[in-house]
Amino acid sequence: KNEVEQSPQNLTAQEGEFITINCSYSVGISALHWLQQHPGGGIVSLFMLSSGKKKHGRLIATINIQEKHSSLHITASHPRDSAVYICAVPESNYQLIWGAGTKLIIKP
Amino acid sequence: NAGVTQTPKFQVLKTGQSMTLQCAQDMNHNSMYWYRQDPGMGLRLIYYSASEGTTDKGEVPNGYNVSRLNKREFSLRLESAAPSQTSVYFCASSKRDLLNTEAFFGQGTRLTVV
Repeated sequence: KNEVEQSPQNLTAQEGEFITINCSYSVGISALHWLQQHPGGGIVSLFMLSSGKKKHGRLIATINIQEKHSSLHITASHPRDSAVYICAVPESNYQLIWGAGTKLIIKP
Repeated sequence: NAGVTQTPKFQVLKTGQSMTLQCAQDMNHNSMYWYRQDPGMGLRLIYYSASEGTTDKGEVPNGYNVSRLNKREFSLRLESAAPSQTSVYFCASSKRDLLNTEAFFGQGTRLTVV
């Protein structure tokens, strides 16, 4: 069974800093999901990627299939980016293995 | 564009009561999911429906039943609620399977069983 590890577990930074959250997994995959859970509880899909790099606004996600590693970057961080960021990998077509999440706090 | 809509948002039940959580999506997605999230834990899959007319058990199906009423709607039923079912429940949908498409989530239902 795949194991998904995220680091760091908690991250506090100042507004404007460049943020990196890491995700590693133990078994080869064909896709990886990054999601954001707001303090109010809502969950939003940020990216699904299978190779290379994707960018959406200030968010960038990269994946290295050979190294079994993905990173989520936030440029010019803002307090509204404060949330839990979760990576997940498919265990099967319809089931995901979830990382434990990274709690990010951006201070003004 | 509503996306995935869950009702109710909050519910308190007494042990042994039954209830149905409703979920509807307006994105013409094929697949739908029910998850629960307990404090300090990740999402756990209860049931999913790969396509209209099919349902399958996930990781934690005991104590729950589901119905894929049509392509839009996927309901979760608790027949006899137990305190262990106190949780936040999320419905999600995806256009196809999770190897190829993203999941879109509802806002969650906070259920307390007393």
